[in-house]
Amino acid sequence: GALVYQYPRRTICKSGTSMRMECQAVGFQATSVAWYRQSPQKTFELIALSTVNSAIKYEQNFTQEKFPISHPNLSFSSMTVLNAYLEDRGLYLCGATRDNSAETLYFGSGTRLTVL
Amino acid sequence: GDSVTQTEGLVTLTKGLPVMLNCTYQTTYSPFLFWYVQHLNEAPKLLLKSSTDNKRTEHQGFYATLHKSSSSFHLQKSSVQLSDSALYFCALRNYNVLYFGSGTKLTVEP
Repeated sequence: GALVYQYPRRTICKSGTSMRMECQAVGFQATSVAWYRQSPQKTFELIALSTVNSAIKYEQNFTQEKFPISHPNLSFSSMTVLNAYLEDRGLYLCGATRDNSAETLYFGSGTRLTVL
Repeated sequence: GDSVTQTEGLVTLTKGLPVMLNCTYQTTYSPFLFWYVQHLNEAPKLLLKSSTDNKRTEHQGFYATLHKSSSSFHLQKSSVQLSDSALYFCALRNYNVLYFGSGTKLTVEP
């Protein structure tokens, strides 16, 4: 079956520091990876969509300078939160699709970021 | 742009009663709708999906019908259980991303 692993599950960083999170697709090739942030209020914000062989598309209010993403192959993606502050806290989820016609996003368990 | 609206933020019910969670959407494309369920401290998991107009789709006792005429995809269950307590998100697919509604927290009491 299709599985998506995210690492680390939880992380704490000091305000102004950066942290990197990883997303691994197991059992399928993730041609697209969408990164989301679920705020403490539980709403989902789409950060960016990364598609192999295409430019990474960031949503409004999110930038490459703040959330650089790497998608080097069909099984792995990483995202860094640079200069994290309190408003960056939340659960960061990656959702991967098998191919461009896939119906379903498979989500990892998320990386919960706490900023002190 | 594309958007999803869930009108109920909180729903509290007694075990055994029926439930309907509302979901309406806006899109200029052919709609593909999803319901995800998220239990405490877990990732969201796919519950239902549909792109077929007026066809009921079911899973784990939950069911929903996509109605393009009313742009709706309401989630229903005839008899809720304690284990159904969770967050429920309606989502609209556009290419390879999902746009989520604000979610409905369902609490089932004994």
